[in-house]
Amino acid sequence: GQQLNQSPQSMFIQEGEDVSMNCTSSSIFNTWLWYKQDPGEGPVLLIALYKAGELTSNGRLTAQFGITRKDSFLNISASIPSDVGIYFCAGLSPAGNMLTFGGGTRLMVKP
Amino acid sequence: NAGVMQNPRHLVRRRGQEARLRCSPMKGHSHVYWYRQLPEEGLKFMVYLQKENIIDESGMPKERFSAEFPKEGPSILRIQQVVRGDSAAYFCASSPLAGRTDTQYFGPGTRLTVL
Repeated sequence: GQQLNQSPQSMFIQEGEDVSMNCTSSSIFNTWLWYKQDPGEGPVLLIALYKAGELTSNGRLTAQFGITRKDSFLNISASIPSDVGIYFCAGLSPAGNMLTFGGGTRLMVKP
Repeated sequence: NAGVMQNPRHLVRRRGQEARLRCSPMKGHSHVYWYRQLPEEGLKFMVYLQKENIIDESGMPKERFSAEFPKEGPSILRIQQVVRGDSAAYFCASSPLAGRTDTQYFGPGTRLTVL
């Protein structure tokens, strides 16, 4: 089946620093999504990307849909303690009606 | 407008027992998706249902697992004769639109522990 490789697996940063994480795939996706999951909760959608090359922002978050349609990145600027959590990328393939998730990036922010 | 509701939030079962997980979609949503999340991993798709129909069950294990979404009431994910490897968090998501998985809203999950 399809797999998404998400990196890094974890990050420990100082408050105020910028963060960057990315996902790559061997297959093409039509839609890329970025989610945040807090402990004990379900994922919450942060950003959805629908077109190759698209760059979309949501507050301090910016995400891009790669030109090849096989990758995406998420940037968080000026991190704050409440950014702590696990961030997941997910892709929607041309053929499917389900999401394929990456393995997650665990973000820890030191005040 | 209440979000997706799942119950129970935590479920403990002994090996060989049955587990029933319930998901009430958001009001007006007729599409339900179930995912499983093992510790330290991403979510893995299991099944996609519409009211009274299973649309895609390509992620469901062939044995012991079943899902339904009746005309009335919540969607149910049923695991028979549970084994320790079934221990995981099970999430459901609902969507108002067919085929639009980018509009999925996730519930808080049910954490199943098999002793």
